[in-house]
Amino acid sequence: DQQVKQNSPSLSVQEGRISILNCDYTNSMFDYFLWYKKYPAEGPTFLISISSIKDKNEDGRFTVFLNKSAKHLSLHIVPSQPGDSAVYFCAAMSQGGSEKLVFGKGTKLTVNP
Amino acid sequence: DARVTQTPRHKVTEMGQEVTMRCQPILGHNTVFWYRQTMMQGLELLAYFRNRAPLDDSGMPKDRFSAEMPDATLATLKIQPSEPRDSAVYFCASGLVDLFEGYTFGSGTRLTVV
Repeated sequence: DQQVKQNSPSLSVQEGRISILNCDYTNSMFDYFLWYKKYPAEGPTFLISISSIKDKNEDGRFTVFLNKSAKHLSLHIVPSQPGDSAVYFCAAMSQGGSEKLVFGKGTKLTVNP
Repeated sequence: DARVTQTPRHKVTEMGQEVTMRCQPILGHNTVFWYRQTMMQGLELLAYFRNRAPLDDSGMPKDRFSAEMPDATLATLKIQPSEPRDSAVYFCASGLVDLFEGYTFGSGTRLTVV
């Protein structure tokens, strides 16, 4: 049973526009959420995270929003650039528990010039 | 720039053969993970260690997979015997749980079992 779900396998946006990637989770014990970015033939790289005590975290062009009541988080990229084209993985963990990361299946983002 | 090193980068082997994948975590990191990426399952956790002790290997097929950390600089994932369904990219990641800043992944080992 998937505890972290990314329901959109792919997303295509125009350069300069906003990209919104979505993620849902089912385990209410998760209290820390992360987004990883992955290019082909490379390992995932950490992008941005958010603790459950916050509902927003911003880092440059990247903002993550957390809606705990809906068990939903989203990653916004503004403005999108062709170099952002990659697979984005949502991940969740319970900091007071095992602290292992549970990943979604990923969303492939394509930013068209 | 500290990085997690995985060897080999690519491995092609015949069904039934033993495969060993190696990982050198970042010096000082106390937690090491093994993940497997497949098209169907995405990134699935196989096993992880904290301070070299195995904490969870429930994601591994026990009959053929084994994971060890013989010392703080080396983690191994072994498959014996390998099967075509084991074909995937295997990632190692390390991190400092006490100072959580996201785990650092290696570049992966692409395994093909024919």
